[in-house]
Amino acid sequence: GESVGLHLPTLSVQEGDNSIINCAYSNSASDYFIWYKQESGKGPQFIIDIRSNMDKRQGQRVTVLLNKTVKHLSLQIAATQPGDSAVYFCAELRGNKLVFGAGTILRVKS
Amino acid sequence: DTGVSQDPRHKITKRGQNVTFRCDPISEHNRLYWYRQTLGQGPEFLTYFQNEAQLEKSRLLSDRFSAERPKGSFSTLEIQRTEQGDSAMYLCASSLLGDTYGYTFGSGTRLTVV
Repeated sequence: GESVGLHLPTLSVQEGDNSIINCAYSNSASDYFIWYKQESGKGPQFIIDIRSNMDKRQGQRVTVLLNKTVKHLSLQIAATQPGDSAVYFCAELRGNKLVFGAGTILRVKS
Repeated sequence: DTGVSQDPRHKITKRGQNVTFRCDPISEHNRLYWYRQTLGQGPEFLTYFQNEAQLEKSRLLSDRFSAERPKGSFSTLEIQRTEQGDSAMYLCASSLLGDTYGYTFGSGTRLTVV
C-alpha cells in the first residue's frame, strides 16, 4: 500500500553542524506533513509542519522543505546540539489519522 | 494541565492475561487517539474517539482489543488474551477537532508479554 518512508536509518553529525533528515512519500494526494521528534521513553513531539501549497517553512533552528515533484520531504536542523539526539519521524495526515514512516536516528557527537 | 497522561508506564504480563491501559487527554481536547509502536517503527494508528464516540478503527485492532471513552474524557484500551506479538508501546494522543497542530502525544505504556 502507499506509505511514508525514510531513506537513512541513522545519521551521525558533529555538534554545531547542520543535519538533514529525508523522507519520501508515495501518495501524491497528500497535502499535510509533520515532522516529529521522539526521545527515548517519550511520545512523539511536534517539531514543524507544512502544507502542500508551500515548499518551505522555517521554525526555530528547523526548516522543512517539500518537493512535490519527486514526493520528497526533508528536515534541516541548524547548529545541531546534543539535545537534538533522538529519532525523527515524518508523518502524513490522512483523514483523521497520522501515517508515520519508520524513523531516522540522529546522533550528535560532541 | 500537564499534557496527555498514560498509566501505567510499563506493564509486564504473561501470555493469555488481560491488560488495561488508561489515557487522560488534555482536558479541553475532544479527540483522543490510540497508536501502537513497535521497536524501530513509527506509530501505527489503532482507533480514535470524538467525545465518547469511537469513529474509526484500524484493521490492526483485532477482536481482542477494545477501547472505550465512556464520558468523553479519559479512555481505556483493553487487550484480552495477550499474545507475545502484542508487545509494543501503546501511545495515546489528543487534539481539538480541526486543530492538527495541537495533536499531542502521551509518553506511552510499554507492554511486554512474556
